[in-house]
Amino acid sequence: EADIYQTPRYLVIGTGKKITLECSQTMGHDKMYWYQQDPGMELHLIHYSYGVNSTEKGDLSSESTVSRIRTEHFPLTLESARPSHTSQYLCASSDVWGSHGELFFGEGSRLTVL
Amino acid sequence: AQKITQTQPGMFVQEKEAVTLDCTYDTSDQSYGLFWYKQPSSGEMIFLIYQGSYDEQNATEGRYSLNFQKARKSANLVISASQLGDSAMYFCAMNFGNEKLTFGTGTRLTIIP
Repeated sequence: EADIYQTPRYLVIGTGKKITLECSQTMGHDKMYWYQQDPGMELHLIHYSYGVNSTEKGDLSSESTVSRIRTEHFPLTLESARPSHTSQYLCASSDVWGSHGELFFGEGSRLTVL
Repeated sequence: AQKITQTQPGMFVQEKEAVTLDCTYDTSDQSYGLFWYKQPSSGEMIFLIYQGSYDEQNATEGRYSLNFQKARKSANLVISASQLGDSAMYFCAMNFGNEKLTFGTGTRLTIIP
């Protein structure tokens, strides 16, 4: 069973605020990902990390930033939130060894910027 | 670059019937993986089934099976004996060498009692 946790599940904030979406996994996975998804739409990769101190931008350009200081923790930060950032953000992780690369997802963080 | 296409935005199926969700992909690579995920209204993504490009047998997991036709570049998901709890969004995805997944646009499946 996957053990990957995201907080907060729901967040409503005003424009210009700084926010951090937390993501933690207890599986010891080296690879972690952030996807952005509008309601009922496809998932777009915005950031990924293949290990500590390694972060890369994904296929969809995003104003958010990420960090990977510890294996289990992959937070996403928006310095100044705008209504265009309203979306669901899904964190995921995958194992390097003994798997086909399937992703284990958290429950998502639904962000609404007013 | 790889591309995943799901041409059915929505489907309605009677309970207990089988349903096939279509997925085609475009790649010039020979080694790749194909995945299906389920996303209920609660939002989490649930891994259902995996098919490797070199697997000769179609993958099966309980009521889920993957109809893999490599020459046609299709990887359709078949759900047998559908249940009300199967109502959800379904996403097809692929990767190369255990790298990051690329997802299709999804199909919203609604099971009718």
